[in-house]
Amino acid sequence: DAGVIQSPRHEVTEMGQEVTLRCKPISGHNSLFWYRQTMMRGLELLIYFNNNVPIDDSGMPEDRFSAKMPNASFSTLKIQPSEPRDSAVYFCASSFLGRTLNTEAFFGQGTRLTVV
Amino acid sequence: KQEVTQIPAALSVPEGENLVLNCSFTDSAIYNLQWFRQDPGKGLTSLLLIQSSQREQTSGRLNASLDKSSGRSTLYIAASQPGDSATYLCAVGCSNDYKLSFGAGTTVTVRA
Repeated sequence: DAGVIQSPRHEVTEMGQEVTLRCKPISGHNSLFWYRQTMMRGLELLIYFNNNVPIDDSGMPEDRFSAKMPNASFSTLKIQPSEPRDSAVYFCASSFLGRTLNTEAFFGQGTRLTVV
Repeated sequence: KQEVTQIPAALSVPEGENLVLNCSFTDSAIYNLQWFRQDPGKGLTSLLLIQSSQREQTSGRLNASLDKSSGRSTLYIAASQPGDSATYLCAVGCSNDYKLSFGAGTTVTVRA
């Protein structure tokens, strides 16, 4: 397996524009996490899905942020409209969570977002 | 809400010295604990996973222990090398909500 794949790796956009980040989890994993990392706040969990269903989105900062997981192999995180304070590295991670087996989480390489 | 703390925030040692990194968490209802490494500008690489029923895990020069009742984990790196310089992050998987909560990390510098 190629691991968790995120795209794009880098994104520079103007304030007010829509930004869409993409993630392909590891095949067979049933949980997917979106994190944001900044120097000031470290790693923050934005939202996570289990079996394609959003379980907890309490970390999503504002209504400008939305996430979807239409199937087990794809998820998107959208920011509309984007603001300079959204500049950060966004990570996607996946794992398998079950009653008797909980595997380690694997992270993608991240998307570095810069909003100017 | 699970709070994860890592001490110290930064550590600088000469090559060859053993490293001890600490992680503490407030809620002992966890399903596992994971240690990650992050190099500057890069993603997170999983180092060790400890299930809640385990006391420790070892991989090469790395050894991680878990004391769930006291809410602590320690990562030991033996005979440190300059290539071990990185930020080490502890993450706790919470049984109540299945969230993976991270500490702020310990930035390690190994001097040649």
